[in-house]
Amino acid sequence: QKEVEQDPGPLSVPEGAIVSLNCTYSNSAFQYFMWYRQYSRKGPELLMYTYSSGNKEDGRFTAQVDKSSKYISLFIRDSQPSDSATYLCAMSGSTSGTYKYIFGTGTRLKVLA
Amino acid sequence: TAGITQAPTSQILAAGRSMTLRCTQDMRHNAMYWYRQDLGLGLRLIHYSNTAGTTGKGEVPDGYSVSRANTDDFPLTLASAVPSQTSVYFCASSDSATGGRGYTFGSGTRLTVV
Repeated sequence: QKEVEQDPGPLSVPEGAIVSLNCTYSNSAFQYFMWYRQYSRKGPELLMYTYSSGNKEDGRFTAQVDKSSKYISLFIRDSQPSDSATYLCAMSGSTSGTYKYIFGTGTRLKVLA
Repeated sequence: TAGITQAPTSQILAAGRSMTLRCTQDMRHNAMYWYRQDLGLGLRLIHYSNTAGTTGKGEVPDGYSVSRANTDDFPLTLASAVPSQTSVYFCASSDSATGGRGYTFGSGTRLTVV
């Protein structure tokens, strides 16, 4: 079983839709949770980071963490064609005194005009 | 613009040859990382450095070496390239070893070993 699972997609939605992207994980030591956006042939770009459980909002983006279920989500409101990209979740935490940082394999999103 | 500069952008390399991928950051971040990204496998950590003068092995270190002589530079060397090292390589940095505030990535080096 992978430590982080993320549906690869592609996920196609019409412009203006609310998008929900998700990851599940197995390691309860993870405390920090991140979402990155990666455009084709570019490096990943940090969108949001959160610590522990709860919600965090930044403009059209909301990150949600449910540590009890080991489930994290990224919501995109009023999606735009410019949001078409691959979205990577990431998480980190300490195991035996060493920090581990794991990326999901990414979900490809297409927002159709 | 502050960030990470990687060079070259792309390279075709003959098998058996050596090559150094360059990475420079101007954010004074302590921690730096090298990842390779392959379709279906995602980002895999090759080597990391938590601070200048120290390095560590990641998930896939074989065939690669790194050095961290100063805070800004973190070159990755392939001593004798093999076709399985064909990949896109990303350098990243963070302001802490936890990475809790996220990583900053470079734009990548696309390497083809033939």
